[in-house]
Amino acid sequence: KAGVTQTPRYLIKTRGQQVTLSCSPISGHRSVSWYQQTPGQGLQFLFEYFSETQRNKGNFPGRFSGRQFSNSRSEMNVSTLELGDSALYLCASSRDTVYEQYFGPGTRLTVT
Amino acid sequence: AQKITQTQPGMFVQEKEAVTLDCTYDTSDQSYGLFWYKQPSSGEMIFLIYQGSYDEQNATEGRYSLNFQKARKSANLVISASQLGDSAMYFCAMSPIQGAQKLVFGQGTRLTINP
Repeated sequence: KAGVTQTPRYLIKTRGQQVTLSCSPISGHRSVSWYQQTPGQGLQFLFEYFSETQRNKGNFPGRFSGRQFSNSRSEMNVSTLELGDSALYLCASSRDTVYEQYFGPGTRLTVT
Repeated sequence: AQKITQTQPGMFVQEKEAVTLDCTYDTSDQSYGLFWYKQPSSGEMIFLIYQGSYDEQNATEGRYSLNFQKARKSANLVISASQLGDSAMYFCAMSPIQGAQKLVFGQGTRLTINP
């Protein structure tokens, strides 16, 4: 069974640009959550999508957005990038009624 | 709001010894879940063990066990017979029972197993 995949794995962007990250969940998983990991703030929840609807949201500015497609694949977008957006972005998927989340390998974003 | 505290930034343990990683939590929710994840240097988070707040028995998964003390609001992870491959960052996390996909993480403990 294939795991959670995230693309791209590494990304370098310039301040002010925008970026889109992609996450393909495990087959059959309809919930996709996104987390940001930085050395200073640690792991922080961004948002969760279930059946194409945002179901939970963390405390991040509106520059961070996401969506989910009918095949459960999810994308997150960050507009007007700031240096502080440099982080490892992790995606996790799960079946709705099960607590266990499976994480992808992450996308490491560097903003210069 | 939920909060997780891990007070051990780093731990060094000899191979084959047992190790306990500390985790305390704070929440006003009556129902919640507690998790432990392992993050190797590759970056991927690996689920280790789960404990529901109403579970009376401590959770166990192979060499991992969760020492759950509800009155003290602690959820320590115990790894028996440590192996070199256990060297990694370990994160304690919690979530509401109805929102298990929204995890709150602690700052993590870096565990190093020495041969």
